[in-house]
Amino acid sequence: DIQMTQSPSTLSASVGDRVTITCRASQSIGILLAWYQQRPGIAPKLLIYKASTLENGVPSRFSGSGSGTKFTLTISSLQPDDFATYYCQQFNSYPLTFGGGTNVEIK
Amino acid sequence: QVRLVHSGAEVKKPGASVKVSCKASGYTFSSYGIHWVRQAPGQRLEWIGWINTRNGDTKFSQKFQGRITISRDASASTAYMELRSLRSEDTAVYYCATDTGNYSDKFFQHWGQGTLVTVSS
Repeated sequence: DIQMTQSPSTLSASVGDRVTITCRASQSIGILLAWYQQRPGIAPKLLIYKASTLENGVPSRFSGSGSGTKFTLTISSLQPDDFATYYCQQFNSYPLTFGGGTNVEIK
Repeated sequence: QVRLVHSGAEVKKPGASVKVSCKASGYTFSSYGIHWVRQAPGQRLEWIGWINTRNGDTKFSQKFQGRITISRDASASTAYMELRSLRSEDTAVYYCATDTGNYSDKFFQHWGQGTLVTVSS
């Protein structure tokens, strides 16, 4: 199975900050990576797929980059709605696997 | 718009089975495959399996092989996930989610609200 490791696990930031989350895969997955946002008690929401393609309706302050084994999710200017947990997911091979999550909290 | 509505919360005893349903609306049911993902309290998301809603083909995580059945009733636009021999570690919120219709895109575009399954004696 491909292991996905996110860092940091928790990130404290303020509104307006630029925030970067890293996701590493245990083997190369090309660009077959997605990012999700999850607020407490609510289903995850797709933000980005194929490492850098923004899902329809997702604000342009979200961006993704990377390939192979290292990927990043960047929020260019953190907004109040963005305080949530973020997960990466590889879809290169079965079983599909997720990172452990990054909780973005208010500083 | 795409909508996935889950059946209600369940409480089961260890060793029992649970069947969760996911009713789709707002699109042609056979256009998207459906995945099942679960999330135990405080844990990461975990992929369970997938069904091709056109022909019923399925794929599962090896972790659940032997005690999972994923099925669909196309006439009712509904997918089902049945998990047997439940144990306390199966306590989780179970989500259904669609793929994009391109079955090589194995990520989760639209999600249901989830069903909480609690396994407790």
